[in-house]
Amino acid sequence: KQEVTQIPAALSVPEGENLVLNCSFTDSAIYNLQWFRQDPGKGLTSLLLIQSSQREQTSGRLNASLDKSSGRSTLYIAASQPGDSATYLCAVRPTSGTYKYIFGTGTRLKVLA
Amino acid sequence: DAGVIQSPRHEVTEMGQEVTLRCKPISGHDYLFWYRQTMMRGLELLIYFNNNVPIDDSGMPEDRFSAKMPNASFSTLKIQPSEPRDSAVYFCASRGSYTDTQYFGPGTRLTVL
Repeated sequence: KQEVTQIPAALSVPEGENLVLNCSFTDSAIYNLQWFRQDPGKGLTSLLLIQSSQREQTSGRLNASLDKSSGRSTLYIAASQPGDSATYLCAVRPTSGTYKYIFGTGTRLKVLA
Repeated sequence: DAGVIQSPRHEVTEMGQEVTLRCKPISGHDYLFWYRQTMMRGLELLIYFNNNVPIDDSGMPEDRFSAKMPNASFSTLKIQPSEPRDSAVYFCASRGSYTDTQYFGPGTRLTVL
């Protein structure tokens, strides 16, 4: 059974720092992996999607990497800003079965001004 | 585009009552997903539809839960009878055929007393 873990559960950093969020999954048979952002009281917003054949994806100050064989992904945020404060979730889509993402429990990020 | 629309945004009900949650997906999207988010279990997929047909309902917790999609622009998730352990935030999401990117609604916060 696929399990997705995110460490740390919470993170507080001063503005301007570069930071890394971690995601690990137990079964390397994945179709793709997504990183989402969730603001308090709101739904999720997709940030980056990495296909299983890719190693990384970039969007602005965000860079996500994928090491499928070791079951790991990282989300790198450069020059963090208070507006980056949110919960970040990763989710994997297994190759087997129907379309179904398995979500991690998230990392709650607070960027201090 | 207004995005995915969910109603109501908040629902407080008493144990044993019927609850109906509503979702309007983004126009043109042919996949619709219902998720539940709790502190204990995180974000879980309950059911998803493709072209109004339920494809995978393995996440529906029990027979008290049912979901329908009578047309491409409307879906409901019904709980009957409701129990306190059903208290959670319920999200609806939709996506188009040629992308894995899901667009989430703002969620319905359900409290069962």
